[in-house]
Amino acid sequence: DTGVSQNPRHKITKRGQNVTFRCDPISEHNRLYWYRQTLGQGPEFLTYFQNEAQLEKSRLLSDRFSAERPKGSFSTLEIQRTEQGDSAMYLCASSRKLGQEETQYFGPGTRLLVL
Amino acid sequence: AQKITQTQPGMFVQEKEAVTLDCTYDTSDQSYGLFWYKQPSSGEMIFLIYQGSYDEQNATEGRYSLNFQKARKSANLVISASQLGDSAMYFCAMREGLSYTNAGKSTFGDGTTLTVKP
Repeated sequence: DTGVSQNPRHKITKRGQNVTFRCDPISEHNRLYWYRQTLGQGPEFLTYFQNEAQLEKSRLLSDRFSAERPKGSFSTLEIQRTEQGDSAMYLCASSRKLGQEETQYFGPGTRLLVL
Repeated sequence: AQKITQTQPGMFVQEKEAVTLDCTYDTSDQSYGLFWYKQPSSGEMIFLIYQGSYDEQNATEGRYSLNFQKARKSANLVISASQLGDSAMYFCAMREGLSYTNAGKSTFGDGTTLTVKP
């Protein structure tokens, strides 16, 4: 396993700009999750893919956010017209079901700062 | 209502001693999973240990063990023989409604910052 990778690791942008993050899951993991984590808090669920299908979206995911997972491999998370409140760590996780256990393995995250 | 409660914002432990990090949870599901993750200052969430709701024995992984008390809805993490490298934020998480078709998102607590003193 090479682990979950995320790019970029850090992103600084100006308010109103669009940003896109990429997540490459562990190979053979068919499930992929996006979370957002603000300082001093635990991660909060944003959205989830099983293969290429986006099966669940949190109410936190406003219409400025869009996520895709073409071909069921890597995923992208785009934020349009960024706001200062979007500043956070964006974490990606992937998983594969083994019996009753399904552990999510996280990537290193992308830290976004909106000025 | 909070689904995952970690009541200790910060904990200190002397190197080589054991420490218990508390976690209580709230769910009406019969099938669920409980997880602990470690997050060092670098930001990456590192999986430590898993406990299934139907598991009769407490989970153990090396120096980590999970004290699972189902009736009390608690899933405390015990770290034995603490090391300086254990200093980090620790998160308890729960995934509800586990089934073959339902992957289930994880709900996280707000974490406990553990500092290991030399």
